[in-house]
Amino acid sequence: EVQLVQSGAEVKKPGESLKISCKGSGYSFTNYWIGWVRQMPGKGLEWMGIIYPGDSDTIYSPSFQGQVTISADKSISTAYLQWSSLKASDIAMYYCARARGYCSSTSCSSFDFWGQGTLVTVSS
Amino acid sequence: EIVLTQSPGTLSLSPGERATLSCRASQSVSSSYLAWYQQKPGQAPRLLIYDASSRATGIPDRFSGSGSGTDFTLTIGRLEPDDFAVYYCQQYGSSQFTFGPGTKVEIK
Repeated sequence: EVQLVQSGAEVKKPGESLKISCKGSGYSFTNYWIGWVRQMPGKGLEWMGIIYPGDSDTIYSPSFQGQVTISADKSISTAYLQWSSLKASDIAMYYCARARGYCSSTSCSSFDFWGQGTLVTVSS
Repeated sequence: EIVLTQSPGTLSLSPGERATLSCRASQSVSSSYLAWYQQKPGQAPRLLIYDASSRATGIPDRFSGSGSGTDFTLTIGRLEPDDFAVYYCQQYGSSQFTFGPGTKVEIK
């Protein structure tokens, strides 16, 4: 059974750093792209970026380029999303999700399996 | 960037009725690379339809997708109580792989 299990909810202060995780199991982690999707409170879904754990090839949405860093450690089947300096505007639920197929900067794939989400709260 | 517009914003229907949801793109979606997701409160989204008309694994056949170019439709044949949720479309044929704003299907 394919599963993506995300790390737990976080409460941070503005300016702090944060790294959340997404551990895949039940499939070959290195062979599927893993993406991150933001959902701000009461809002819709936003595509942030995606990584291929096999070679760490990463594609960012221009809206999130430079704001977050996506990485992966294939030895432990885990993808990460990190911030160097959180802002109040980063308050959201963050989902990781597995892409069905190949991704490039010009086309990608739908997400067939999703993590349960990690709620990030930023408050002074 | 392709902008997706979903209509209506809210659809009020009774169980057993047919639901028709629209997703329009500001430019043609390459290769019909369009997906539909269902999201219930407090849950992660679930893939229903990919490549405009292919049902994802385990999705009941009352869910169907159609369309090409700039106009796409998700149809729910006969609504069941479990189908009341928010539905999002997503294009992945052009960079920035955007989602639509969602359509809420609520019980009338």
